[in-house]
Amino acid sequence: GQQVMQIPQYQHVQEGEDFTTYCNSSTTLSNIQWYKQRPGGHPVFLIQLVKSGEVKKQKRLTFQFGEAKKNSSLHITATQTTDVGTYFCSTGTASKLTFGTGTRLQVTL
Amino acid sequence: NAGVMQNPRHLVRRRGQEARLRCSPMKGHSHVYWYRQLPEEGLKFMVYLQKENIIDESGMPKERFSAEFPKEGPSILRIQQVVRGDSAAYFCASSREGQVFGEQYFGPGTRLTVT
Repeated sequence: GQQVMQIPQYQHVQEGEDFTTYCNSSTTLSNIQWYKQRPGGHPVFLIQLVKSGEVKKQKRLTFQFGEAKKNSSLHITATQTTDVGTYFCSTGTASKLTFGTGTRLQVTL
Repeated sequence: NAGVMQNPRHLVRRRGQEARLRCSPMKGHSHVYWYRQLPEEGLKFMVYLQKENIIDESGMPKERFSAEFPKEGPSILRIQQVVRGDSAAYFCASSREGQVFGEQYFGPGTRLTVT
């Protein structure tokens, strides 16, 4: 089945710094989703990307799908403490999502 | 508008006992998915169900695990004769027919501890 790898596993930033997590696949993906999971919480859907080279923005978050549809990134500008959590990418078929291992973001003042 | 409901939120079972996890999807959602998350790991797909049908159970262990989504009532994930390795968070997610593909709504999860 399809697999997606995420890097880094963990990132610690100071509030105000930028943050980027990357999602990579060895095969072409038809879609990518990004989810956020707060500590002790459940995954929350953020966005879906389906087009080659697609870029979407949500306030301070920028999501990108690579031209070859084999990678994706999530960039957060000027992190805040509310951004703390684990960010997962996933890719789906008709019946299920395959999740990456996640990037855990820690933000300190 | 209630979200996905799961109960219990925490469940403690001794080895060999049975665990029953319940999931009520969001109103209007007919697709239910179960995922397992081990500590500090990602989510692993287990099973996808629609009302009275198992559509994809490729992620379910071959033994001791079963799932159902009856015509009436919640979806149930059942684990028989639990072992320590079953300790994990079990998340249910739902989606509706025709929803943006890949957009699933997750419940708060059931944290299962096997002692």
